[in-house]
Amino acid sequence: QKEVEQDPGPLSVPEGAIVSLNCTYSNSAFQYFMWYRQYSRKGPELLMYTYSSGNKEDGRFTAQVDKSSKYISLFIRDSQPSDSATYLCAMSAAAWYAGGTSYGKLTFGQGTILTVHP
Amino acid sequence: NAGVTQTPKFQVLKTGQSMTLQCAQDMNHNSMYWYRQDPGMGLRLIYYSASEGTTDKGEVPNGYNVSRLNKREFSLRLESAAPSQTSVYFCASSEDDKSTDTQYFGPGTRLTVL
Repeated sequence: QKEVEQDPGPLSVPEGAIVSLNCTYSNSAFQYFMWYRQYSRKGPELLMYTYSSGNKEDGRFTAQVDKSSKYISLFIRDSQPSDSATYLCAMSAAAWYAGGTSYGKLTFGQGTILTVHP
Repeated sequence: NAGVTQTPKFQVLKTGQSMTLQCAQDMNHNSMYWYRQDPGMGLRLIYYSASEGTTDKGEVPNGYNVSRLNKREFSLRLESAAPSQTSVYFCASSEDDKSTDTQYFGPGTRLTVL
C-alpha cells in the first residue's frame, strides 16, 4: 500500500465548475501538506501549503486537511481553462531537531490530471 | 534569474550505456534533489543533498549515483542504463531541507532507454 493515494483521474469539468481534488495517506507522522501544480512538459510548482489540520484559502484555491481522517483536499472555485494541469499532493513528516526546526522529505501522490474545457 | 536548469531536455540511450544528467540552480539554495516521475507512481526521490558536501539516498537509489559538485550544481549519473530507468527526471532545490522549505523544480529531462 502506498503511503499517499491520489485518484489519477483524468478529471474533465466545464469552465466555472468547482473542482475537488483529494488525497488519503496512511502515515500519521505527516504534518506538512502541499499541493503542487504541473503543466504539461513542465516541472511541478508549489500551489498551496498547510501545516497540520485546518483550511487555507488563496484566491480561488482552498486547501483542507483532516488529520483525524488522514484526508486532504484542494478545491478550485470558478475553474478556468488555465487551471488544466496535473495536481500533485505532497506530504512531509515532522522530524524535530534542536532549536525547533523540522526536517522531512516529501512523499508525493500519483497526481490527478485535470482538464477544464471552455 | 533562471531558477533550476537541467540538461539535456531529452535523451535516448541503449541498454548498458552511461550518461550524466546535469542540474544547476542560481538561488543560492543549500539543498538539492533528484526525482523520477513515472505514470501512476508520482514523483519518487532518488537522491538528495542537504548541503554542499553531503548526499543521501532517497526512495529509489539503485542504479544511480550523484555528485554535489559545488553549491550550485548536482549531477545524476546512470552507469549502465536499463529500460526500467526510462522516466522523466526532475531536479529540485530548496533553501534548506526543512519541512517548511519550498522545493523549486527544473523543467525535467525525458530519458528513454531502449
